[in-house]
Amino acid sequence: GQQLNQSPQSMFIQEGEDVSMNCTSSSIFNTWLWYKQEPGEGPVLLIALYKAGELTSNGRLTAQFGITRKDSFLNISASIPSDVGIYFCAGQLPTAGGTSYGKLTFGQGTILTVHP
Amino acid sequence: ETGVTQTPRHLVMGMTNKKSLKCEQHLGHNAMYWYKQSAKKPLELMFVYNFKEQTENNSVPSRFSPECPNSSHLFLHLHTLQPEDSALYLCASSQDRLGQPQHFGDGTRLSIL
Repeated sequence: GQQLNQSPQSMFIQEGEDVSMNCTSSSIFNTWLWYKQEPGEGPVLLIALYKAGELTSNGRLTAQFGITRKDSFLNISASIPSDVGIYFCAGQLPTAGGTSYGKLTFGQGTILTVHP
Repeated sequence: ETGVTQTPRHLVMGMTNKKSLKCEQHLGHNAMYWYKQSAKKPLELMFVYNFKEQTENNSVPSRFSPECPNSSHLFLHLHTLQPEDSALYLCASSQDRLGQPQHFGDGTRLSIL
């Protein structure tokens, strides 16, 4: 099946530092999504990207859809303790045949720890 | 986010028990999904329902049986599970159009004794 390589697997940073994480794939994706999951909760959508080269921000978060359509990046500026959680990338492949549902392939996740 | 609600939040069961997980979405979506989330593994897609029809079964063992009576409700019936089935089971929903993101519930934490 399709695989997404997400890195780093974990990060330990000081409050106020910037964070960068990325996902790469051997396949081309139509859509890239970034989710955050906090303990005891399900993943929550942070940013959705739909075009190659697109750069989108959501507060202190900025994500980019790679030009090759095989990668995506998420940056968090000036981290705060509530940024703690697991960040997942997800890619949506072009559909084949009559299937039109939004099947996603997920990365392994980046565990972010922020020290006050 | 309360758009997708899963019950129960926690479930402990023996290997011979039968139980069901429930998912309800209030977002007007027409596609629903079951995922398994184990420690240190990517989310594993189990089943996909599109307009109540099962469109994908990712080689899931028959001890997991999904049911989708309508576009708003999804069940996962469990029977004779194994210890390795202990995990967080997540439900998600989306519109059935390319590019529409999935919205997740908070999951059911399942422990098999």
